[in-house]
Amino acid sequence: GESVGLHLPTLSVQEGDNSIINCAYSNSASDYFIWYKQESGKGPQFIIDIRSNMDKRQGQRVTVLLNKTVKHLSLQIAATQPGDSAVYFCAERANYGGSQGNLIFGKGTKLSVKP
Amino acid sequence: NAGVTQTPKFQVLKTGQSMTLQCAQDMNHNSMYWYRQDPGMGLRLIYYSASEGTTDKGEVPNGYNVSRLNKREFSLRLESAAPSQTSVYFCASSEEKDIANEKLFFGSGTQLSVL
Repeated sequence: GESVGLHLPTLSVQEGDNSIINCAYSNSASDYFIWYKQESGKGPQFIIDIRSNMDKRQGQRVTVLLNKTVKHLSLQIAATQPGDSAVYFCAERANYGGSQGNLIFGKGTKLSVKP
Repeated sequence: NAGVTQTPKFQVLKTGQSMTLQCAQDMNHNSMYWYRQDPGMGLRLIYYSASEGTTDKGEVPNGYNVSRLNKREFSLRLESAAPSQTSVYFCASSEEKDIANEKLFFGSGTQLSVL
């Protein structure tokens, strides 16, 4: 999940296993969520997004789950590959009665895939 | 397909020096953004430009200025650099700010060190 401070939480998985990366958000007004992947030395890259009227959304090998009751978001990666090694960020955007806030990014989780 | 291009990739400044970070996008996007990323932290919004001719402060605007030169280009200026501005800077663009599903596309970043 997300961390406070300088050290990112790290998730280490075996190649071929499934990965689950968690994110807690605090703003109940958030209605749009997005996951980004950042490889070393590169900019963040869009993976998948979900709006608050959905609980689940699937992409290619990735699934995002949203639990609004406990303000929790997760990213599931199926059959994790070495190329999935990166830092993963969740981001949220609040809707204040029709006025959109800015995207707020979490601190990230580092995924390491062992061959 | 270049996407979002940032220059320079690396820069070292002395305290008090000034410099401008350049950003250009070729996706015909209306909205552009500048973020900073510090170790173990998520991305924090410095300034954004929702459309050509407009700019607004983000979460951490102090010590920075921006110019939306045209639809393609959005520059970030440090007038008098301070060690606290040592960071990795990312430019991003999106089709339109505040639309239902707003996806940001990021450049590869500028690593700035202020001594």
